[in-house]
Amino acid sequence: DADVTQTPRNRITKTGKRIMLECSQTKGHDRMYWYRQDPGLGLRLIYYSFDVKDINKGEISDGYSVSRQAQAKFSLSLESAIPNQTALYFCATRDPPGTGSSYEQYFGPGTRLTVT
Amino acid sequence: SQELEQSPQSLIVQEGKNLTINCTSSKTLYGLYWYKQKYGEGLIFLMMLQKGGEEKSHEKITAKLDEKKQQSSLHITASQPSHAGIYLCGADSPQYNTDKLIFGTGTRLQVFP
Repeated sequence: DADVTQTPRNRITKTGKRIMLECSQTKGHDRMYWYRQDPGLGLRLIYYSFDVKDINKGEISDGYSVSRQAQAKFSLSLESAIPNQTALYFCATRDPPGTGSSYEQYFGPGTRLTVT
Repeated sequence: SQELEQSPQSLIVQEGKNLTINCTSSKTLYGLYWYKQKYGEGLIFLMMLQKGGEEKSHEKITAKLDEKKQQSSLHITASQPSHAGIYLCGADSPQYNTDKLIFGTGTRLQVFP
């Protein structure tokens, strides 16, 4: 089973609709992240969370909100979707520093969102 | 803010050829990560480099971090179609005093038979 899962994998929605993307992880990591990927722009950070009570905005948080329901779950919501939010969305998790790991981020498979 | 620039943006090579992808930072790199992404899929971790002059290899892929810790290169020897995808470099962003990664814009690699 995958360490980081995302649902749905693909979603088409209309402008103005509310949509939630979900992420679950079995790595036991405290740190979780949401990114969006657009052609030619690489990955940009939307929100990140270091634990259930610690949630922070990334570089492009406008139009998005998040919820950390548990250590293993981190959801991203688009309250009123707009076409320029069409993108590939990734969830990631990471060990905190000093744990002796390679400190890499583990990524989910992505959710392809299209807003019409 | 720290930025990562990757070059080239895209690369098309014949199977068996060697190639190099570069990642340049405007600031000192405290941790440099290389990921591979198959088209439309998630990111797969390749390697992490931390020390100036460090070099790591995995199968036919070698990554290096220069002594000044501002540039990294990813070298693929005898490329194969399985190497095709998007290669992304990522770096820790110490100005935030957190462990967020920032990413380059990616290099799209195609390998034809």
